[in-house]
Amino acid sequence: DGGITQSPKYLFRKEGQNVTLSCEQNLNHDAMYWYRQDPGQGLRLIYYSQIVNDFQKGDIAEGYSVSREKKESFPLTVTSAQKNPTAFYLCASTGQANTGELFFGEGSRLTVL
Amino acid sequence: AQSVTQLDSQVPVFEEAPVELRCNYSSSVSVYLFWYVQYPNQGLQLLLKYLSGSTLVKGINGFEAEFNKSQTSFHLRKPSVHISDTAEYFCAVSVPDSSYKLIFGSGTRLLVRP
Repeated sequence: DGGITQSPKYLFRKEGQNVTLSCEQNLNHDAMYWYRQDPGQGLRLIYYSQIVNDFQKGDIAEGYSVSREKKESFPLTVTSAQKNPTAFYLCASTGQANTGELFFGEGSRLTVL
Repeated sequence: AQSVTQLDSQVPVFEEAPVELRCNYSSSVSVYLFWYVQYPNQGLQLLLKYLSGSTLVKGINGFEAEFNKSQTSFHLRKPSVHISDTAEYFCAVSVPDSSYKLIFGSGTRLLVRP
């Protein structure tokens, strides 16, 4: 079945370590997104990519990096520069035919020890 | 810039009672409007969306929402809730440009009690 796969589902990290979250989609969507979710704050956009080899910063890009080398993949790296990385991270994608509807993965919960 | 306000952080309701979850938005241009639902430790699932046309939009699981341009609102309603409707509900807007970025409200937790 088509969908978005995020891995790992749970991840623990020590302070000062970088960690990469995986996001893969087989929906043939052009656009992909990373959101961060914190309790009581809704979802905030970290980065997004509309085409391969191109991406833009969202509202809270500091301390994060991304790449878009393949249409299907949009990995997110949480660097040691991110001061408060413990959160739930959601990847999403959409295509031109979907008129703004985003399709979400199951999320990755990152905890910094 | 656009923003979304969900004033109610939590709405408790008894099973089979009606419910309304409020959403107001701010934008200087026309927007698309969405409601998503999130069950614990899962991603978001689209309930319904308003793009244009009829202001009353019907979605999945018996939910509906009404777009009110003069009040800049997009409230979500269900005439009779079930225990299984207990979840977090997010209102979102996007500007109809090529980025398809969504701007989310802070969410409303619907708690359905027996």
